[in-house]
Amino acid sequence: DAKTTQPTSMDCAEGRAANLPCNHSTISGNEYVYWYRQIHSQGPQYIIHGLKNNETNEMASLIITEDRKSSTLILPHATLRDTAVYYCIVRVAKGNFGNEKLTFGTGTRLTIIP
Amino acid sequence: NAGVTQTPKFQVLKTGQSMTLQCAQDMNHEYMSWYRQDPGMGLRLIHYSVGAGITDQGEVPNGYNVSRSTTEDFPLRLLSAAPSQTSVYFCASSTPWDEQFFGPGTRLTVL
Repeated sequence: DAKTTQPTSMDCAEGRAANLPCNHSTISGNEYVYWYRQIHSQGPQYIIHGLKNNETNEMASLIITEDRKSSTLILPHATLRDTAVYYCIVRVAKGNFGNEKLTFGTGTRLTIIP
Repeated sequence: NAGVTQTPKFQVLKTGQSMTLQCAQDMNHEYMSWYRQDPGMGLRLIHYSVGAGITDQGEVPNGYNVSRSTTEDFPLRLLSAAPSQTSVYFCASSTPWDEQFFGPGTRLTVL
């Protein structure tokens, strides 16, 4: 699976949009970008994933550049409960082996400021 | 639907002791995995399984054994605990195609 690079930490004001970048310059054509987050010391929680089109769900939006070498996770109206470590993970496409062994980096520690 | 459950929540062992960390899921997921997380680090894969009777090693398998006799359960055995195995252990399950669901973790201290 491709390696990802994320900033170590970020702050965001409550109510504002939080934009978390991720570089994955060695991503392959059949690899998806997944985002998980870990609140305090709980188990990681899935947020969103995408291949090459922008994606949106009830939690966040995912913007993937046209060359697919980077992406941005957007939390549109950040709340204090969004304070967490956010992990950007690249893995092989659905239907292939790989979903059982995600590779986590150190992620971005996002702090929402009141 | 309880999702992924792990027991115990906390455990303290002495060096050399053995124990089993339990993991169960009620979502009929084929895939199950064990990760460990050391302070300030991301999760690292220990062992994983793609179905009952099938297991394989992850990134850091030494000192751990697993078996998968049923779809629901995936226990992790520490053979002879060492201080280096002090960590938080997470179990996860998924289908081959969808996101992983993680348990709440087991916090293990080896003295």
